[in-house]
Amino acid sequence: KNEVEQSPQNLTAQEGEFITINCSYSVGISALHWLQQHPGGGIVSLFMLSSGKKKHGRLIATINIQEKHSSLHITASHPRDSAVYICAVVSFKAAGNKLTFGGGTRVLVKP
Amino acid sequence: DAGVTQSPTHLIKTRGQQVTLRCSPKSGHDTVSWYQQALGQGPQFIFQYYEEEERQRGNFPDRFSGHQFPNYSSELNVNALLLGDSALYLCASSLAAGGLYEQYFGPGTRLTVT
Repeated sequence: KNEVEQSPQNLTAQEGEFITINCSYSVGISALHWLQQHPGGGIVSLFMLSSGKKKHGRLIATINIQEKHSSLHITASHPRDSAVYICAVVSFKAAGNKLTFGGGTRVLVKP
Repeated sequence: DAGVTQSPTHLIKTRGQQVTLRCSPKSGHDTVSWYQQALGQGPQFIFQYYEEEERQRGNFPDRFSGHQFPNYSSELNVNALLLGDSALYLCASSLAAGGLYEQYFGPGTRLTVT
């Protein structure tokens, strides 16, 4: 079983819909990252969380340390939100800040 | 302020050849990590460099080696290329090698081995 699991693997939404992506992990962590990857490969860091909730524009990320679970929400989704969203964690056991990644969630927002 | 830069952007090599990929970290960052991302999969950690030393390494064979220079830029070298080494190679930099420092990613180098 992978240390970081994401669901769903694929998601299609209509423009304006509320989107939720889930991430579960099995190790103790010092931080969790949500990343966005567009076709072509470049990765952009959206959030880094160690507790609670963060909001940036239409994006909201939450984390529950006790349940080892995080969610990324996209409100009022737009076709430009179409991308792969990746959850990654920094394990307590890891020296440095090595990231362990989930498999990603491919999001398609249709106009 | 330039972000993380990588070169080249694309590369085609033949099996058995050697390749060197380069990464310049974001200004002020001293830690560089390298990741391999096969098509359709999440990135896998290769290794991390801090203070010119390899600090941590993932499950990659010795054919994968690296270096960090005094200006914090880094190289990833892959010897005896295999078809399975075809992937997007991502470099990420951070202010330090601690868990609570955000990592910034470069655009990647897409390596194709034929």
